[in-house]
Amino acid sequence: KAGVTQTPRYLIKTRGQQVTLSCSPISGHRSVSWYQQTPGQGLQFLFEYFSETQRNKGNFPGRFSGRQFSNSRSEMNVSTLELGDSALYLCASSLSPSGGANDEQFFGPGTRLTVL
Amino acid sequence: SQQGEEDPQALSIQEGENATMNCSYKTSINNLQWYRQNSGRGLVHLILIRSNEREKHSGRLRVTLDTSKKSSSLLITASRAADTASYFCATEGNFGNEKLTFGTGTRLTIIP
Repeated sequence: KAGVTQTPRYLIKTRGQQVTLSCSPISGHRSVSWYQQTPGQGLQFLFEYFSETQRNKGNFPGRFSGRQFSNSRSEMNVSTLELGDSALYLCASSLSPSGGANDEQFFGPGTRLTVL
Repeated sequence: SQQGEEDPQALSIQEGENATMNCSYKTSINNLQWYRQNSGRGLVHLILIRSNEREKHSGRLRVTLDTSKKSSSLLITASRAADTASYFCATEGNFGNEKLTFGTGTRLTIIP
């Protein structure tokens, strides 16, 4: 069974631009979560989607948005990029949404975004 | 914000020794999970322990959970060079706060 895939793996953008990252979950998984990892803030939760609905959202500005498609694939978008948005963006999928199911999350390799 | 604090931040041991990492958290949880990350790559799930469990084993890994102290420990026995990585604990909250919240991580280096 193929793992979680993320595209692109590396991305370089300039301030003010926008970016869209893609995540394909493991086949059969309907829950997708996104995380941002930076040296200063560590791993921080961005949002979680299940069945095309956002279930949870972290403390990030509205410039960060996401969506999930009917095939469970998910995208996240960051508009008006800032230098501080440079980070490794990780996507994770699981069978069930968080909240008592105790399902393992499987992470993709991440997209490393550099904002110049 | 970080839910968990991990201790120590960095740990270097000789190959073959045991490594112990600790994690403390702040709010009530459904479960606590441990992950490994190699050099800025994706995270690999190691083990999940539910809030009603106290100890769990998986191969060379042993995890304990003390919900009264809001703490967990990860023990890696008979360490190998390939265990060199960063280790993170993550808690899944409850009561409307079910997102997975990660600790600060422990950087483990195994010296051959």
